[in-house]
Amino acid sequence: TQLLEQSPQFLSIQEGENLTVYCNSSSVFSSLQWYRQEPGEGPVLLVTVVTGGEVKKLKRLTFQFGDARKDSSLHITAAQPGDTGLYLCAGMRRAGTALIFGKGTTLSVSS
Amino acid sequence: NAGVMQNPRHLVRRRGQEARLRCSPMKGHSHVYWYRQLPEEGLKFMVYLQKENIIDESGMPKERFSAEFPKEGPSILRIQQVVRGDSAAYFCASSQDMNTEAFFGQGTRLTVV
Repeated sequence: TQLLEQSPQFLSIQEGENLTVYCNSSSVFSSLQWYRQEPGEGPVLLVTVVTGGEVKKLKRLTFQFGDARKDSSLHITAAQPGDTGLYLCAGMRRAGTALIFGKGTTLSVSS
Repeated sequence: NAGVMQNPRHLVRRRGQEARLRCSPMKGHSHVYWYRQLPEEGLKFMVYLQKENIIDESGMPKERFSAEFPKEGPSILRIQQVVRGDSAAYFCASSQDMNTEAFFGQGTRLTVV
């Protein structure tokens, strides 16, 4: 069983559309991170959220950590082709433990 | 301010050979994590090391796989007697301490022929 479930698995949209991807778990995490990975490259850290209910914005990207610290969402406004990639969420169950990753959402934005 | 450096980027080994993957963490980082990624799958945790110590190796196969992070030099993930199923992308990440963010290298793509 996957500790972190990401949905949707694949998403194909047109430039300018908005989208939301989700990261859900039945477990509580002390922190949660979002990464973006492009083919042939390593994951690049986008944001870390640590407080239940926390919202962080990174230009057109909005990240939210659930109140119970069991889930998170990533919302992209006016998607651009440059947003194309694999979006991974990763949680830390408690400090001092390794990150657990979801399988990711593959986003394709066409112009 | 170099990031996490992994080498080689690509490694081809014949079945039965040994594979050595190297990871130099970011400057000032003493915590290293190794992950394996297969197509259509997320990153699977293998091992977590702090200088000279293995903190958590629960994700690493008991046989043929070993990891070290010596006082001086890079962290090494060693796979002995490789099999085709070992073919994957192996990523290393480092962090400053156990509570801070982890940054990833570009990975080593191992192909066993």
